[in-house]
Amino acid sequence: QVQLQESGPGLVKPSETLSLTCTVSGASISGSYWSWIRQAPGKGLEWIGYIHSSGNTNYDPSLKSRITISVDTSKNQFSLKLSSVTAADTAVYYCARIGSGGARWDYWGQGTLVTVSS
Amino acid sequence: QSALTQPASMSGSPGQSITISCTGTSSDVGGYNYVSWYQQHPGKAPKLMIYDVSKRPSGVSDRFSGSKSGNTASLTISGLQAEDEADYHCCSYAGSSTYVVFGGGTKLTVL
Repeated sequence: QVQLQESGPGLVKPSETLSLTCTVSGASISGSYWSWIRQAPGKGLEWIGYIHSSGNTNYDPSLKSRITISVDTSKNQFSLKLSSVTAADTAVYYCARIGSGGARWDYWGQGTLVTVSS
Repeated sequence: QSALTQPASMSGSPGQSITISCTGTSSDVGGYNYVSWYQQHPGKAPKLMIYDVSKRPSGVSDRFSGSKSGNTASLTISGLQAEDEADYHCCSYAGSSTYVVFGGGTKLTVL
């Protein structure tokens, strides 16, 4: 059974960098695409970006200038960095695996709430 | 404002059928057969219910079905059960740059 677990600070100050890591268990991170998705309180889902185990990435155009997604295949982990955060970046952040065929997510982490506040 | 339009809320009685719509454009829903639907219970992660417009992942009840006509995709839940009460999100592929767009979600209440 594929399991994903997000980890990282739950509180980030405005203008600082949000950093999260997703640890994958039950499957190798190699050969698949992995994604970050967020959900602001009371709002819908928002795709942030994805990374292939080879390091190939694709980011949401509106967030592209602030995002870095990286992968560490030796640790079976991938990570998100979002710079210059504001209160608008307060959300539950999910990591998820993109299913074969693309454009869908078949396994999700439980999500982690990140609050941007001073 | 979400790129795909869903009704904010819907309700139905146990045993009834309900259809949730998801309206986009020819650049997303209408242009590709890559619409997916997710069920999300409060405080939980989304769960994939439908992909590629009408395919069901293994383990998802056949009470859930998907379809598409033009720029509008639909999720139909037949034989409503109390456990179906949740938020439902639609998602569509929108090209290699944008990648995907989501709807705002529909809160389904089972009366």
